[in-house]
Amino acid sequence: QVRLQESGPGLVKSSETLSLTCSVSGASVSTGSYYWIWIRQPPGKGLEWIGYISDSGATNYYPSLKSRVAMSADRSKNQFSLRLTSVTAADTAVYYCARAGVGMRLSVLDSWGQGTLVTVSS
Amino acid sequence: QSALTQPASVSGSPGQTITISCTGSSRDVGVYNYVSWYQQFPGKAPKLIIYEVSNRPSGISNRFSGSKSGNTASLTISGIQAEDEADYYCSSYTNSGTFVVFGTGTKVTVL
Repeated sequence: QVRLQESGPGLVKSSETLSLTCSVSGASVSTGSYYWIWIRQPPGKGLEWIGYISDSGATNYYPSLKSRVAMSADRSKNQFSLRLTSVTAADTAVYYCARAGVGMRLSVLDSWGQGTLVTVSS
Repeated sequence: QSALTQPASVSGSPGQTITISCTGSSRDVGVYNYVSWYQQFPGKAPKLIIYEVSNRPSGISNRFSGSKSGNTASLTISGIQAEDEADYYCSSYTNSGTFVVFGTGTKVTVL
């Protein structure tokens, strides 16, 4: 059974960098036909796609966030990470990591972390 | 972010059948059979309940079913139960450059 767990600061100051890590067990972030995803959900709102990192390390980000986002993977720790720079209050959200299929199966997110609330303070 | 359109809320009495619509376009729902549905309880992560329009992952009740017609996908919950009260989101692969688009979400209330 695949398990994902987000970790990182719950409070980030405005204009600083948000950094989160997703630890994976039961699957490898560096092998297999899966992409590793970050999604967020502002309080009381819907789901927002942030981007993905593939098993080979290729990345793709949502266009409006592309200039501020970076994802990476640490194969030795079986983790993948999210960095979001120059945060504002609009970045306050519950951040989820998830696993998705490849290609068109990117829309099939079959495993999710429990989510972590990140609040941007002024 | 652009989103697929879902009704904000749907309600039904126990045992009834309800349907949630998810309307997209010819860039997503209308051309790809890669529509998924997720169930989310308050304070919890979403859970995949339907993938590729009508397939259920292992362990998901057969009271949940999915379908698609044109640019609109639908999730049907048959014999709705109190435990089904949650938020439901659709998603679809899209050729708009963002790869995946989510629905606006529907709150299901069991009366």
